[in-house]
Amino acid sequence: DTGVSQDPRHKITKRGQNVTFRCDPISEHNRLYWYRQTLGQGPEFLTYFQNEAQLEKSRLLSDRFSAERPKGSFSTLEIQRTEQGDSAMYLCASSRGLAGATTQETQYFGPGTRLLVL
Amino acid sequence: GESVGLHLPTLSVQEGDNSIINCAYSNSASDYFIWYKQESGKGPQFIIDIRSNMDKRQGQRVTVLLNKTVKHLSLQIAATQPGDSAVYFCAENMGRRALTFGSGTRLQVQP
Repeated sequence: DTGVSQDPRHKITKRGQNVTFRCDPISEHNRLYWYRQTLGQGPEFLTYFQNEAQLEKSRLLSDRFSAERPKGSFSTLEIQRTEQGDSAMYLCASSRGLAGATTQETQYFGPGTRLLVL
Repeated sequence: GESVGLHLPTLSVQEGDNSIINCAYSNSASDYFIWYKQESGKGPQFIIDIRSNMDKRQGQRVTVLLNKTVKHLSLQIAATQPGDSAVYFCAENMGRRALTFGSGTRLQVQP
């Protein structure tokens, strides 16, 4: 399977603990996105990378959240001092952006990491 | 604020019938629209997309229609099957890389 993969698929943690999620994009996809989805809602954008550069961050991404993509391949999303309101599905997507192109390209999603904060 | 919205939260159809899922958008800066299917416990699965320079695009059993005059998007599924049962999301780009999603329509296919 050459799709987007995420690890872990499920995470249960206690309030105040730190958690880290990993996303491996489709090979050769240079853009990587993080979204959050709560029950009954559509995904909400958190941040995106082009190669290793983090180009946009949503207002939803509080200072407790940090994302990295150090080598322009896999990415990690860390949540520090988790709160019950952080419980959600965290989705990663990737796309293949062409240099200099301004048109949008298709984003392909992974299976998500479901986080439950007790 | 401007957002993507859906007219119906749940759509129930008979197996074999055609399904139409509607979506309204309000951001005139959007030039890219996309439909995803999401089954329970899974990530969104790409179905079909369309750019603003088109008004219709067809895939396998699916057609997306874009009406820029009234800012309306629809997904048509021909000969709906039980495996089509899922939540369907439309999304727009609002002139950015990030996608803005609506809240979804649940499609239920009755055998």
